[in-house]
Amino acid sequence: QKEVEQNSGPLSVPEGAIASLNCTYSDRGSQSFFWYRQYSGKSPELIMSIYSNGDKEDGRFTAQLNKASQYVSLLIRDSQPSDSATYLCAEGGNRLAFGKGNQVVVIP
Amino acid sequence: KAGVTQTPRYLIKTRGQQVTLSCSPISGHRSVSWYQQTPGQGLQFLFEYFSETQRNKGNFPGRFSGRQFSNSRSEMNVSTLELGDSALYLCASRHTGQGIKFNEQFFGPGTRLTVL
Repeated sequence: QKEVEQNSGPLSVPEGAIASLNCTYSDRGSQSFFWYRQYSGKSPELIMSIYSNGDKEDGRFTAQLNKASQYVSLLIRDSQPSDSATYLCAEGGNRLAFGKGNQVVVIP
Repeated sequence: KAGVTQTPRYLIKTRGQQVTLSCSPISGHRSVSWYQQTPGQGLQFLFEYFSETQRNKGNFPGRFSGRQFSNSRSEMNVSTLELGDSALYLCASRHTGQGIKFNEQFFGPGTRLTVL
């Protein structure tokens, strides 16, 4: 049974600051990792995919993968009120295993 | 390109009834997966269909079933509804081409099912 852990509670960050989210996973053989953003009442939206160790940047988002430590993170730079949402970490191929999510609140 | 569509968006049923949900994937995507999202359990995988065949199944009772049609559209059915089946049911489509990037799954808006 694959497990994805997102243990941090709600994260409040001031507008313009960096939000940092972390995630660990149990399956050492996993190759595909994803971050989804879910606004209240909406469905998850894919914002980042990462497949190899290191950093991947896309606009204000940076995903980091460390397979040795089984650890994935997401940085949101210059946080905006529109970034206020729940962020879900997921891993897998044809069946995704999700963490419970981290709520981010950006304070203007 | 149009995204994943799901119908209906909202459903209210009573215990013991059955329900059928529909999903149309992104054009060209041949894999459709279904997930259940609840506040307590989060997002959980139900099953995946590809080329009209179920390829993977999550840990859900047999009351949950699905199928896929030749045009890749998929339906899922829940029989003998229980109160605990109240959830957001999400469909996700995937291209399934060669290469790891084709693991990306894109979600539809979901069907909100309430069981009374």
